[in-house]
Amino acid sequence: EIVLTQSPATLSLSPGERATLSCRASQNVNDYLAWYQQKPGQAPRLLIYNASNRATGIPARFSGSGSGTEFTLTISSLEPEDFAVYYCQQRGHWPLTFGGGTKVEIK
Amino acid sequence: EVQLLESGGGLVQPGGSLRLSCAASGFTFRNYAMIWVRQAPVKGLEWVSCILEGGHTTYYADSVRGRFTVSRDNSKNLLYLEMNSLRAEDTAIYHCATYQQRLPFDNWGQGTLVTVSS
Repeated sequence: EIVLTQSPATLSLSPGERATLSCRASQNVNDYLAWYQQKPGQAPRLLIYNASNRATGIPARFSGSGSGTEFTLTISSLEPEDFAVYYCQQRGHWPLTFGGGTKVEIK
Repeated sequence: EVQLLESGGGLVQPGGSLRLSCAASGFTFRNYAMIWVRQAPVKGLEWVSCILEGGHTTYYADSVRGRFTVSRDNSKNLLYLEMNSLRAEDTAIYHCATYQQRLPFDNWGQGTLVTVSS
């Protein structure tokens, strides 16, 4: 099973600041990596697929990069609605796995 | 509009069984793989199972393999998760979702709560 390690666990930032979230895979997943956003009481929402492609309707301030075992989600300038928990998911190998999540909170 | 509506959750004793359903609408259900993902209280996301479009190929997380069975009825646009030998650690909200490995057709239901407790 591929283990995804996300860091940091919590990111405390102010609106307008840049957020950089990391996801490290225990094995090569090529670019089979997705990022999700989840807000309290809501289902997860797909932000990024294939490591760097934005899903439909996702604002340009969200960007993904990386391949192999190291991946990054960047939010260029945080909006109030971006404070949430973010998960990476690898889709390259069964079983599918999620990272433990990064909570982006208001500083 | 794509809709996924889970049902069948509830309170069950350890060792008991439960069957979850997921009713799909707004898209051609038979053309998409489907997954179940769960989230324990105040915890992260855990992938549970996947069933491919035709219903003949399934995958499971190690934590549920041998106890849970995923199935689908493409004529009724329904997805199922049969859960047996339930344990306290199976307590979670269970979401069904569409799945595409390389494409972004990604839709989730709001989930149904399963509580395993005596």
